[in-house]
Amino acid sequence: LAKTTQPISMDSYEGQEVNITCSHNNIATNDYITWYQQFPSQGPRFIIQGYKTKVTNEVASLFIPADRKSSTLSLPRVSLSDTAVYYCLVGDRNYGGSQGNLIFGKGTKLSVKP
Amino acid sequence: NAGVTQTPKFQVLKTGQSMTLQCAQDMNHEYMSWYRQDPGMGLRLIHYSVGAGITDQGEVPNGYNVSRSTTEDFPLRLLSAAPSQTSVYFCASSYTHGQGAYGYTFGSGTRLTVV
Repeated sequence: LAKTTQPISMDSYEGQEVNITCSHNNIATNDYITWYQQFPSQGPRFIIQGYKTKVTNEVASLFIPADRKSSTLSLPRVSLSDTAVYYCLVGDRNYGGSQGNLIFGKGTKLSVKP
Repeated sequence: NAGVTQTPKFQVLKTGQSMTLQCAQDMNHEYMSWYRQDPGMGLRLIHYSVGAGITDQGEVPNGYNVSRSTTEDFPLRLLSAAPSQTSVYFCASSYTHGQGAYGYTFGSGTRLTVV
């Protein structure tokens, strides 16, 4: 079972900043938080990964509070092409030993409107 | 680099037929896995491998077999196809297993229909 909770859908307009929050109350000490993006008929694409505080790359920022029980993916100035499903994942220890596998939930469907 | 290559892209099977979905990666990744994605659902883990010669079951392994004879290849076999196996199948690979600084690379998927 997925260990994360995120909104099923979100709407935004072009040029706005979008923040998608994910809850992971039972995150383990060694787990990383990873976000993926999936367009229709394509495989998921890695966006960003973090362990604590803030991580930023050319695509997004990831904010992780000190207790690590949640995280927020921030997409600056979204465009129509950012319309996709966004998945928040943490390492799952049910499969694969000490490091675990990534278990996907249903994700957040982001719709960006003109 | 080609990344993760899946073949075929589309396949229609009759109930009871068997087939193999191919997955190959050229990034020397140790870890590979298979997921299935049904409409409106996230991805569910079928099988995974942490290295050549080592495989294990994921969330939904029934009806599927895998093997990992080389680092590059991780085929998924459907033993006797059933309509419930109609889905889109994704193969993924990663330098490390689940954690670390490297994300997973996914293939473009195989859309399978069982009639």
